[in-house]
Amino acid sequence: NAGVTQTPKFQVLKTGQSMTLQCAQDMNHEYMSWYRQDPGMGLRLIHYSVGAGITDQGEVPNGYNVSRSTTEDFPLRLLSAAPSQTSVYFCASSYSRVNYGYTFGSGTRLTVV
Amino acid sequence: QKEVEQDPGPLSVPEGAIVSLNCTYSNSAFQYFMWYRQYSRKGPELLMYTYSSGNKEDGRFTAQVDKSSKYISLFIRDSQPSDSATYLCATIIQGAQKLVFGQGTRLTINP
Repeated sequence: NAGVTQTPKFQVLKTGQSMTLQCAQDMNHEYMSWYRQDPGMGLRLIHYSVGAGITDQGEVPNGYNVSRSTTEDFPLRLLSAAPSQTSVYFCASSYSRVNYGYTFGSGTRLTVV
Repeated sequence: QKEVEQDPGPLSVPEGAIVSLNCTYSNSAFQYFMWYRQYSRKGPELLMYTYSSGNKEDGRFTAQVDKSSKYISLFIRDSQPSDSATYLCATIIQGAQKLVFGQGTRLTINP
């Protein structure tokens, strides 16, 4: 039982490049979400999904896309990277939309130059 | 004004001390309260989860919620160097999808 797995752990991008951050969970969790963590800002919700085929925007969705084709996977796509997207990204999951004890992945550290 | 305020510290205490970590929140609609612990370069892990006002104890950890004053606390008894981490409070309105986090308090327990 691996929990929530995020890849890659580290990434450097040039401004304007696109990439996909991967998130997979093996706990059959219904709810999945993406957060970014910045110094002094805490964790902020980017996008979330309450089940396969259902996604919605969080607090800071601009510049990011998501899709949820399976229960297990919830990739986050950066469309055209900007230096403001330099951050640590965390994927989190929970077995239901009303259970708030999230399981977090270990994070992806992204630098955009 | 942030919805959840948490002193970022850093807080440094000697081993064995009682640690008190605190958050205040502004929205009386918040109903669920959590404390997460985050070690350096790791993801947050759930430490405590409470619904109502009052205390909840789990080993050396006690979570306290006072809804009347919109104040949440985490107490760590007999603190250990392994407790050194950043502690994040979080809260949510029932049915909402956005967990609102405090900034996190960086705690160091000195041997």
